[in-house]
Amino acid sequence: DAKTTQPNSMESNEEEPVHLPCNHSTISGTDYIHWYRQLPSQGPEYVIHGLTSNVNNRMASLAIAEDRKSSTLILHRATLRDAAVYYCILRHGAGSYQLTFGKGTKLSVIP
Amino acid sequence: SQTIHQWPATLVQPVGSPLSLECTVEGTSNPNLYWYRQAAGRGLQLLFYSVGIGQISSEVPQNLSASRPQDRQFILSSKKLLLSDSGFYLCAWSVGAADNEKLFFGSGTQLSVL
Repeated sequence: DAKTTQPNSMESNEEEPVHLPCNHSTISGTDYIHWYRQLPSQGPEYVIHGLTSNVNNRMASLAIAEDRKSSTLILHRATLRDAAVYYCILRHGAGSYQLTFGKGTKLSVIP
Repeated sequence: SQTIHQWPATLVQPVGSPLSLECTVEGTSNPNLYWYRQAAGRGLQLLFYSVGIGQISSEVPQNLSASRPQDRQFILSSKKLLLSDSGFYLCAWSVGAADNEKLFFGSGTQLSVL
């Protein structure tokens, strides 16, 4: 199974953009890239996902490298409520229903 | 709209006691259901998933079992808890088999085995 690599932790100042990187050098052509985040003492929540093209939604943007071996989750203006653990996950191939979560990146937002 | 209910929120159990955690989903039919566990300071570990009534797949051999007696009900059980069973247990659901399906998580149960 393709795996992802993320920094253990990152810091950002409030109201500044945040770029959370993820490496997935063994990604297969059919793997979607998913991002979830987990606030303290809560279950993870979906943030965004993509396959090849960059994606935008109300929460964030996802920038995917042309070779798909890396991606970046972009929070355009960090708020204190964005402090969470962010997980970059590869959705396995067709017929598989699992999402495997790594340790993620703990984002701290400094007021 | 769809909602997921998971209870209890916290649970303290002695070693050797049984366990039953229940999860129900409303507002959708034939969901895929999942049980995850998160040990302190660690990532989420997939324990079980189910694509239909009576269909359970186990990801990790352990002291736990899962059952799906109804379409939108998923139960995590143990006959005798171990200290290592402590953790944050999360139920989740999704619909569809496409590679871009999304997972929706419950609020979790914090289990402490003493």
